[in-house]
Amino acid sequence: ILNVEQSPQSLHVQEGDSTNFTCSFPSSNFYALHWYRWETAKSPEALFVMTLNGDEKKKGRISATLNTKEGYSYLYIKGSQPEDSATYLCACPGYGGSQGNLIFGKGTKLSVKP
Amino acid sequence: DVKVTQSSRYLVKRTGEKVFLECVQDMDHENMFWYRQDPGLGLRLIYFSYDVKMKEKGDIPEGYSVSREKKERFSLILESASTNQTSMYLCASSFDFNQPQHFGDGTRLSIL
Repeated sequence: ILNVEQSPQSLHVQEGDSTNFTCSFPSSNFYALHWYRWETAKSPEALFVMTLNGDEKKKGRISATLNTKEGYSYLYIKGSQPEDSATYLCACPGYGGSQGNLIFGKGTKLSVKP
Repeated sequence: DVKVTQSSRYLVKRTGEKVFLECVQDMDHENMFWYRQDPGLGLRLIYFSYDVKMKEKGDIPEGYSVSREKKERFSLILESASTNQTSMYLCASSFDFNQPQHFGDGTRLSIL
């Protein structure tokens, strides 16, 4: 079974700090890497889907990079705001990835203090 | 706009009851999924379906079954509810692994 690891488990930062966290996955048989943001009392929301080694994606103050050869992705948040407080999940397609099922990491819970 | 709708936000049932959780998507997606989320365990896949009447077991299928009679609807069935099935259940759909999954708002199920 594919194992997706995220670190750290939780993170507490002050408003205005920039932060980053890591998603690790097996580098063999790579299909895609997904990032989601999950705010309390809401449903998970897709941030990025990345497929190419070296790819970088950006959405506002949030960006992500991908290294498929070494099996990791970084998510960066520049100038964190209280509304960025959420759990950030990464995921990879499981065995037989053509069917779209994802294996999720346990997430990084970000708390941004005003 | 993309929409995945779960039938209930909160549900309370008794041990031994047969429980149905319904999910409907309006995006004509091939793939649909049921997850449960528990503290410290993250999102775990129960079952998924990649076509009408097709289903595949996820990581934790025991005690559950699913039904997909129409493309837009994917039902999760707890055959005989037990207290260890108290959890948050999330439904999702997607076009394929290169496309993001779209989630419903979740059903918080309590089994007493």
